[in-house]
Amino acid sequence: EAGVAQSPRYKIIEKRQSVAFWCNPISGHATLYWYQQILGQGPKLLIQFQNNGVVDDSQLPKDRFSAERLKGVDSTLKIQPAKLEDSAVYLCASSVGTTGREQFFGPGTRLTVL
Amino acid sequence: KQEVTQIPAALSVPEGENLVLNCSFTDSAIYNLQWFRQDPGKGLTSLLLIQSSQREQTSGRLNASLDKSSGRSTLYIAASQPGDSATYLCAFQKYNFNKFYFGSGTKLNVKP
Repeated sequence: EAGVAQSPRYKIIEKRQSVAFWCNPISGHATLYWYQQILGQGPKLLIQFQNNGVVDDSQLPKDRFSAERLKGVDSTLKIQPAKLEDSAVYLCASSVGTTGREQFFGPGTRLTVL
Repeated sequence: KQEVTQIPAALSVPEGENLVLNCSFTDSAIYNLQWFRQDPGKGLTSLLLIQSSQREQTSGRLNASLDKSSGRSTLYIAASQPGDSATYLCAFQKYNFNKFYFGSGTKLNVKP
């Protein structure tokens, strides 16, 4: 069974530039999560999708971050414009059911904002 | 605000030692607690899941316990090996919510 795929693995940009990350969950997984993990901290949930609908985006900085999951499969997370404090690893995870008890994580995208 | 604290932040031990990682949380109304392992450049891998009605779970050399009343969980690793070197994160879910609240992790180094 293929795991959660993410790309790119690394990205370096200047502040105020835009960046987008892509995630392809495990086939058949209805729920998709985007987490932000700042160095030395645990992951923090940014947004959760159930199929193509948003379940929780309470911690998503909506003035600069956006995410979509068209057709309820893969997803993109965008930052526009980026700030220095956005430097982090962005993790995508997916789960089969709605409880999210078993979440499978992708390798993450490491973003550096200069 | 949900808070999860992990102590110590880093730990270095010689191979073969038994060790304990600690996790404390402020909210006792949890649905389950999980311990994850994170290797550099890789995602998280779930190690053990303890439901709120359970007290502990075991998998191989790993044993995790949960004490909701005191807001604590411990991960016990027996006979540590260099391959156990990684960051260990605990996280809990609140009842009926999918969101994980993560601690900041304990970075473990097991020296050969």
